[in-house]
Amino acid sequence: AQTVTQSQPEMSVQEAETVTLSCTYDTSESDYYLFWYKQPPSRQMILVIRQEAYKQQNATENRFSVNFQKAAKSFSLKISDSQLGDAAMYFCAYRRGNTGGFKTIFGAGTRLFVKA
Amino acid sequence: EAGVAQSPRYKIIEKRQSVAFWCNPISGHATLYWYQQILGQGPKLLIQFQNNGVVDDSQLPKDRFSAERLKGVDSTLKIQPAKLEDSAVYLCASSLDSLAGGYTFGSGTRLTVV
Repeated sequence: AQTVTQSQPEMSVQEAETVTLSCTYDTSESDYYLFWYKQPPSRQMILVIRQEAYKQQNATENRFSVNFQKAAKSFSLKISDSQLGDAAMYFCAYRRGNTGGFKTIFGAGTRLFVKA
Repeated sequence: EAGVAQSPRYKIIEKRQSVAFWCNPISGHATLYWYQQILGQGPKLLIQFQNNGVVDDSQLPKDRFSAERLKGVDSTLKIQPAKLEDSAVYLCASSLDSLAGGYTFGSGTRLTVV
């Protein structure tokens, strides 16, 4: 069974600084997708960034980028120039790419605090 | 486009009572998901619909939970009878049938069972 592990329950960053959130996953599949979701206090999960496993190039979305290490099964999120609005829970997620009905498995989350 | 609508936003019930949650996905999204998020944990899939058919309900406690999506559009999740451990946020999400696409989530219903 696939699992997603986020080993950092909480992280803290100074405004305008850079922070990296860690995620590891376990799978025997070769075709899959990885995601980072943000959940602010409003509770609505928002998709931050996605990565296709078959792509070697790391995904980037404005201030958000990932470091995808397929052999190590590692998928970290880097937030540059952190802003107060980045404070939230961040969930790493995995989804099989070929079958399985697109079910997404989530990690336990990392709470990010941003200091002014 | 309109987002995923969920109601109610909050619900407090006593144990052994019943409760129902409603979700209306984004128009055109064939796949609908119900997730349970216990405080301090990541969301856990309860049930997944493709149009009006169930794709995955392997983690749904079927002795007390039920869900339906009769016309392939909106969906209802019911708990009867509720237990204290059902206290959680119930998230609804929908997606296009696209492997690379992420989900669009609603704001969830926070259920407290006392």
